[in-house]
Amino acid sequence: DAKTTQPPSMDCAEGRAANLPCNHSTISGNEYVYWYRQIHSQGPQYIIHGLKNNETNEMASLIITEDRKSSTLILPHATLRDTAVYYCIVRVYSGNTPLVFGKGTRLSVIA
Amino acid sequence: GAVVSQHPSWVICKSGTSVKIECRSLDFQATTMFWYRQFPKQSLMLMATSNEGSKATYEQGVEKDKFLINHASLTLSTLTVTSAHPEDSSFYICSARAGTEAYEQYFGPGTRLTVT
Repeated sequence: DAKTTQPPSMDCAEGRAANLPCNHSTISGNEYVYWYRQIHSQGPQYIIHGLKNNETNEMASLIITEDRKSSTLILPHATLRDTAVYYCIVRVYSGNTPLVFGKGTRLSVIA
Repeated sequence: GAVVSQHPSWVICKSGTSVKIECRSLDFQATTMFWYRQFPKQSLMLMATSNEGSKATYEQGVEKDKFLINHASLTLSTLTVTSAHPEDSSFYICSARAGTEAYEQYFGPGTRLTVT
């Protein structure tokens, strides 16, 4: 069963911010939100994760709503190299269960 | 960050033959490794979870006799596709866990298998 819902595709102009939404209305209290991306024909790459506070790192920012039912990944200044499929995953912080991928959002950054 | 390698990066084999894919954690020891399969324009599908020194746990619908997984050491897991058929053509991605936190699951670059 899908635990997250993402739009199948989005376009973004190069240099602009890319805002990728994710719905996770059934998230449990002990589950975090993780974002990965997969550039064509490569393995997935970790981007960022968070529980309830907004998070920022060198790659992106993660905004989680107060009720934690949705989140937005923000790439502040998208480049052509950010073209990829972005996956939003909810999972408990630790333990041996693997990451399970949904369908993701295909982001196309356009020059 | 932790590095996971796969070999080969691509392979072409004839129908009915077997092919082995290696997954190595280069700078850490991985007690748990995962194998995923990805068909064109689809998401990653988990095939199996392997723990060092024990039998792999396969996801529902994955034939354990066809996809043989060996995790003999803390840095190496292998996936052997036996009696390959064209429908086994896919992108196979391994992943290794460096710690207990979810973000510490690192992914290899993938192996593209084409069965002719």
